[in-house]
Amino acid sequence: NAGVTQTPKFRILKIGQSMTLQCTQDMNHNYMYWYRQDPGMGLKLIYYSVGAGITDKGEVPNGYNVSRSTTEDFPLRLELAAPSQTSVYFCASSRQGINTGELFFGEGSRLTVL
Amino acid sequence: QKEVEQNSGPLSVPEGAIASLNCTYSDRGSQSFFWYRQYSGKSPELIMSIYSNGDKEDGRFTAQLNKASQYVSLLIRDSQPSDSATYLCAVRGLDMRFGAGTRLTVKP
Repeated sequence: NAGVTQTPKFRILKIGQSMTLQCTQDMNHNYMYWYRQDPGMGLKLIYYSVGAGITDKGEVPNGYNVSRSTTEDFPLRLELAAPSQTSVYFCASSRQGINTGELFFGEGSRLTVL
Repeated sequence: QKEVEQNSGPLSVPEGAIASLNCTYSDRGSQSFFWYRQYSGKSPELIMSIYSNGDKEDGRFTAQLNKASQYVSLLIRDSQPSDSATYLCAVRGLDMRFGAGTRLTVKP
């Protein structure tokens, strides 16, 4: 099992460009999440999904969009990139149930907007 | 607004000492609580999970949960230099929220 796979690992964007961060998991988890982590800070929830076809906003959704057409994939779309979106992005998944719910993280995608 | 607050760091302890990390949360509907360790430039990794009031021990780590006080803590006994990292408290309600993290340094 590969777990949670994120691509790309690194990307530099110009202001106003758009891009998609890809995330896929092979653990058949129903929940998936996108977080961003600014230097020296904790993780801020951008969007999450409780299953295919269902997404919901987190703490910091502005400037981002997501979709969940399959259980495995949860891409994050950045429209009109701004310097404030420079961050490390983590995708995670979890299986929900009684006394479960730990997150499994991808390796992160480091995005710089210049 | 669902808030997760951690005691501000950085925290520095000598090797062999006990490190104490604290976390409070605002959402009374929270059901599950986790501590993650994150080394610089790496993804967070799970250290402990706790779901009911009381203590849970795993090796040198003990998590404590008090739902009435909305408080979670992590004790690291016999701290080692390899424990030097940022520790993140995470709280699950409808979603999963993280605190800002506490940076721990264990000095040899």
